[in-house]
Amino acid sequence: ETGVTQSPTHLIKTRGQQVTLRCSSQSGHNTVSWYQQALGQGPQFIFQYYREEENGRGNFPPRFSGLQFPNYSSELNVNALELDDSALYLCASSLRGRVDTQYFGPGTRLTVL
Amino acid sequence: GNSVTQMEGPVTLSEEAFLTINCTYTATGYPSLFWYVQYPGEGLQLLLKATKADDKGSNKGFEATYRKETTSFHLEKGSVQVSDSAVYFCALSDRASGFGNEKLTFGTGTRLTIIP
Repeated sequence: ETGVTQSPTHLIKTRGQQVTLRCSSQSGHNTVSWYQQALGQGPQFIFQYYREEENGRGNFPPRFSGLQFPNYSSELNVNALELDDSALYLCASSLRGRVDTQYFGPGTRLTVL
Repeated sequence: GNSVTQMEGPVTLSEEAFLTINCTYTATGYPSLFWYVQYPGEGLQLLLKATKADDKGSNKGFEATYRKETTSFHLEKGSVQVSDSAVYFCALSDRASGFGNEKLTFGTGTRLTIIP
């Protein structure tokens, strides 16, 4: 059984650029959620994907977008990066309707200069 | 909206001391409550959970009881170890948001350091 993996581990971008973060789900999980964790804060829900469609969204602007693929892996895309986008981005996979099964990846640390 | 308020840290204790980390919540529906732990350089790990009032979640010597009357879910451990040093997050999931559309709402986290 493989866990949730994320790539890259670290990333440095400049304001205005675009970034894509990747996540591979735990085997058997069909739902992926993305969270943003700013330094010293708790994770904040960005959105969730199920069956390749967005299935719920937090209070994030449209420049945050995502994809889920048939193998349940996922991407998080952020356009027009801002300094405040600097954070740890966490991916979590789960079974649909079972938030207690959410397994988190180690995260991608994004720094925007 | 939903929110979670955690005891602010950092918390520093000696090994074998008693631990309490306070957590209170606000929710519009019937939330499930969770404690997650984050070790340095790692993702969040589910520590324990409780899904209804008066339920007690427990794992690895940690316990928390779902108290609806006080909207609390305090984390306790009778004797902490150096290996318990980590950041602890209280979280809730509100089923009122609809099946399959559940998300976790987290507190700000409490950093715990145990001194030998």
